[in-house]
Amino acid sequence: DQQVKQNSPSLSVQEGRISILNCDYTNSMFDYFLWYKKYPAEGPTFLISISSIKDKNEDGRFTVFLNKSAKHLSLHIVPSQPGDSAVYFCAASGGMEYGNKLVFGAGTILRVKS
Amino acid sequence: ETGVTQTPRHLVMGMTNKKSLKCEQHLGHNAMYWYKQSAKKPLELMFVYSLEERVENNSVPSRFSPECPNSSHLFLHLHTLQPEDSALYLCASGLRDRDYEQYFGPGTRLTVT
Repeated sequence: DQQVKQNSPSLSVQEGRISILNCDYTNSMFDYFLWYKKYPAEGPTFLISISSIKDKNEDGRFTVFLNKSAKHLSLHIVPSQPGDSAVYFCAASGGMEYGNKLVFGAGTILRVKS
Repeated sequence: ETGVTQTPRHLVMGMTNKKSLKCEQHLGHNAMYWYKQSAKKPLELMFVYSLEERVENNSVPSRFSPECPNSSHLFLHLHTLQPEDSALYLCASGLRDRDYEQYFGPGTRLTVT
């Protein structure tokens, strides 16, 4: 059973608008969450993270929101740009207790249309 | 060269072949990982090496054999694979006490015929 789920396989957004990528998790022991971005023929690259003691973290055009009670996080990209078109992976970590292992979702393909 | 590199980038092998995937990191990290990515499935952690010692083997079949001769190099030796092993194999590195932020290589696209 998947502990980290990205239920939308793909998302298409117009340039300049907001992209919202969603992620749900089941394990309440996860305490650190990350988003990775992957272009074709490249490995995933770290994008932004959030600790479970926060509910929001912002870095430029990227903001991650965490709703612990709902076990849900989302990545907002605003304004969206064509270069943001990629696969976005949500990942969760249980910290030292879980060996700092990352558990990944299946990814969401984002297409930003110009 | 900087970052995490992987060779070869593409590999086609028969089920009776023996081949090896190589990963090298130039980031001064002390933990390295092998992941498998199959189509439309989450990244699956296969092996973790911390300070050159294997600390995790995620129920991976013995036809996959990892080797970590030093903190900069990681190998995945392959033998008698099955067609269902065809996937993208990603190497990653990180710092042992902060390895939730991992740095990935570009991957090796493996096809088993």
